[in-house]
Formats: sequence, C-alpha cells, structure tokens
Amino acid sequence: DAGITQSPRHKVTETGTPVTLRCHQTENHRYMYWYRQDPGHGLRLIHYSYGVKDTDKGEVSDGYSVSRSKTEDFLLTLESATSSQTSVYFCAISGRPGTGGSHNEQFFGPGTRLTVL
Amino acid sequence: ELKVEQNPLFLSMQEGKNYTIYCNYSTTSDRLYWYRQDPGKSLESLFVLLSNGAVKQEGRLMASLDTKARLSTLHITAAVHDLSATYFCAVEPDTGKLIFGQGTTLQVKP
Repeated sequence: DAGITQSPRHKVTETGTPVTLRCHQTENHRYMYWYRQDPGHGLRLIHYSYGVKDTDKGEVSDGYSVSRSKTEDFLLTLESATSSQTSVYFCAISGRPGTGGSHNEQFFGPGTRLTVL
Repeated sequence: ELKVEQNPLFLSMQEGKNYTIYCNYSTTSDRLYWYRQDPGKSLESLFVLLSNGAVKQEGRLMASLDTKARLSTLHITAAVHDLSATYFCAVEPDTGKLIFGQGTTLQVKP
C-alpha cells in the first residue's frame, strides 16, 4: 500500500453539476496523476502535477481541471459533468523522495467510480 | 500518435500451460512497465523495465524488453488460477507520462 486514498469512492451525479474528486497521499511523492479507465481504452492520462501548483495536461484533459495547493492533495474537478465522463478515475503517485527521479514507477490509488446520469 | 498495442486482448488458458502476452509500441521509449489489475481493484505494479534487453522474473511471470523492436513480452509459465487478472503494459515517452495498452484479460481454467 503506497499510502494513497481517493474520495469519494463512488459517486452518482447529474449532467451539468460540478464534481470534485480528491486524491490524498502520505508518501511525500513529488508527482501525482489523474487517469480515467474505460473499457477498451486502458488508462488514459487526464492531468498530472510535478509539484505544488505545477500541473500540466494529459491526453484527455478537455472538461477537467486540477489543483494542487499542497504536496499531499491533488484535486480533479469536472466543472459541468457530462455522461461521457462516466468512468472509473484513478489517482497515481511517483517520485519517491531520494530516488532522484531515476525511474517513474507509479503507484495507484483505489479508484473512484463516477456515474453521470 | 503514440500507440501501445497489446495482444491478445483476451486469453483463456488451462492451468499448467505456458503463454506470452505481447506489447508493441510506436515510439522510442527506454522504459516500460507492467501492471496487474484484479476485477474491481486498483493497479498493482509488476515489473519496471528500464533498458534494452532488460529481463525480470517474479514467480511464474517473466517480462522482457526489446527497445529496438519496440516490443515487450510477458511470459506466463505453468499458469495457475491465481494469475487470472487483466495485465497492462505502459510506456513512458516523456518523463512522467505513461501511455497504457488496452489490457489483456487472462482467464486460467482448472
């Protein structure tokens, strides 16, 4: 267990409502990531963070925003949820202190199942 | 566009048999990762392959990387039911950005 939690674990919401998912880590890893998992697509990177207040877009960032105000928390926001954002969302971390970024093994949280009606 | 393709996507095999899962990718990458996912669960890191020719083994699983061919393999020896899961490979074309394959669902039957 890499000390990653996600909240909520399950959420059902309606189209057009804002939704925020939280990822919390206790490992002091530098990098944090948000992925979505859909059948037939594997995992796709939404956004990632390489430090506090430093974020960048992944391959499927449209409709999502992120914030990282402290090392341990990375928030994913859907400003106005759509049915196409129904998915399982995984947070991941990497960059264990002291490794110097020699490799980038990522450790995954338990996931959040989001349903947009 | 970078593509990571796994085959087969679904594999049903008998216990005791051997088989190989293939992961092909379309751009240069010296790093490749294999993950396992059980139904309804998160991803568990299996192997980290960091250079051409890297080979790693854990129990009945062995992973290898050929960066020149842009190919990684995950070989299963004498499969057992506990290996039933979905296996993902992922490449790292840019630091921190993983591109995943579609996953291979392995079903091992008694």
